[in-house]
Amino acid sequence: QSALTQPASVSGSLGQSITISCTGSSSDVSSTDYVTWYQHHPGKAPKVLIFDVIKRPSETSHRFSSSKSGNTASLTISGLQAEDEADYYCSSYTTRRTEVFGSGTKVIVL
Amino acid sequence: EVQLLESGGGWVQPGGSLRLSCAASGFIFSDYAMNWVRQAPGKGLEWVSSVNAFSGDTYIADSVKGRFSISRDNSKNTLYLQMDSLRVEDTAVYYCAKAITATSPRPHSWGQGTLVIVSS
Repeated sequence: QSALTQPASVSGSLGQSITISCTGSSSDVSSTDYVTWYQHHPGKAPKVLIFDVIKRPSETSHRFSSSKSGNTASLTISGLQAEDEADYYCSSYTTRRTEVFGSGTKVIVL
Repeated sequence: EVQLLESGGGWVQPGGSLRLSCAASGFIFSDYAMNWVRQAPGKGLEWVSSVNAFSGDTYIADSVKGRFSISRDNSKNTLYLQMDSLRVEDTAVYYCAKAITATSPRPHSWGQGTLVIVSS
């Protein structure tokens, strides 16, 4: 199972909005509502930002939102803040009942 | 509060074996699927394996199939990963992750990880 495709890095200035894409296939993203987005600061445990494509845990800021169309899911960060600088991963449930992660995106706050 | 504490990592020579453990607390362990996910140095997250809550059905990534096996002991609230025939490319931080349901991987809550180094 190949990793889902994400841009290696995305940058934005404080207060701006950025969007991270996550492209899969008919075996994963396009065939499931179980797409998850994680924030990962190096040396810490990954943290769920969004699950089931659009659901936000109570502790996730409303600045994080997501969507899916076909085989591509997207995460948008609004009002970019310094603490948003981290690695972001998508993951998807697959038709083989496994999980596949995205290649990861480094968000750089300018 | 969900707590997951991995142990058993360390240094091993290529071809060797290790067994990782993950002690769980703060939730009803037997009600949830569990996962192992790894991150090699400088690389992204890679799902390794999962085990369902009730059926005990297991699923494993092609990259480790035939070498790794996952198991759980619900009486001890503990998840295991038996790793055999280890390769240099298995060097990674291994995370234990609780799923959001009983029957699909969907990692949701994560431990801090344990480092495995495979090197001669």
